[in-house]
Amino acid sequence: NAGVTQTPKFQVLKTGQSMTLQCAQDMNHEYMSWYRQDPGMGLRLIHYSVGAGITDQGEVPNGYNVSRSTTEDFPLRLLSAAPSQTSVYFCASGGRGKYEQYFGPGTRLTVT
Amino acid sequence: GENVEQHPSTLSVQEGDSAVIKCTYSDSASNYFPWYKQELGKRPQLIIDIRSNVGEKKDQRIAVTLNKTAKHFSLHITETQPEDSAVYFCAASSPRGYNKLIFGAGTRLAVHP
Repeated sequence: NAGVTQTPKFQVLKTGQSMTLQCAQDMNHEYMSWYRQDPGMGLRLIHYSVGAGITDQGEVPNGYNVSRSTTEDFPLRLLSAAPSQTSVYFCASGGRGKYEQYFGPGTRLTVT
Repeated sequence: GENVEQHPSTLSVQEGDSAVIKCTYSDSASNYFPWYKQELGKRPQLIIDIRSNVGEKKDQRIAVTLNKTAKHFSLHITETQPEDSAVYFCAASSPRGYNKLIFGAGTRLAVHP
């Protein structure tokens, strides 16, 4: 099993550009989530999904969209990138009825 | 709202000493409390967790204690080694979201040989 995978590893965007961060898991986990990590602020939840077709907002959803068309994939879309979105983004997944979450390797995004 | 506070933000110990990191949570309905270790440039990795029906859990050199009345829980690392140097995050489950976790801000632990 590859576990949770994320692409790309690094990305530089200009202000106003859009892009999609990819996340996939092969553990048949129902729960998937996106976090951003900024220095001194821990991991903040952006959006999460409890199954295909179901998504909900976390603590910091503004500027991001998600969809969940399959169990395996949970892409995060930045509609119009802003310098405040410079961060490291982690995707995580967890099994039904289990709180344990497994993180992907992260995407380091810089917006200039 | 839901909140997890973590202290200290940095911790420096000598090899062989013990290290303790403390967290408090706001929602008394939280029932799952994991600890993650994140090495530089790597992903967070689950190292130990505890559920609300247990007061203490040990795994070799690490242990977690939970005080539900006071709404706080702690990570204890004994006989620290340089490879324990990392950022440690506590988290608490949110009763308002399936599998949802609320994370503390992290503690940077440095173990000096």
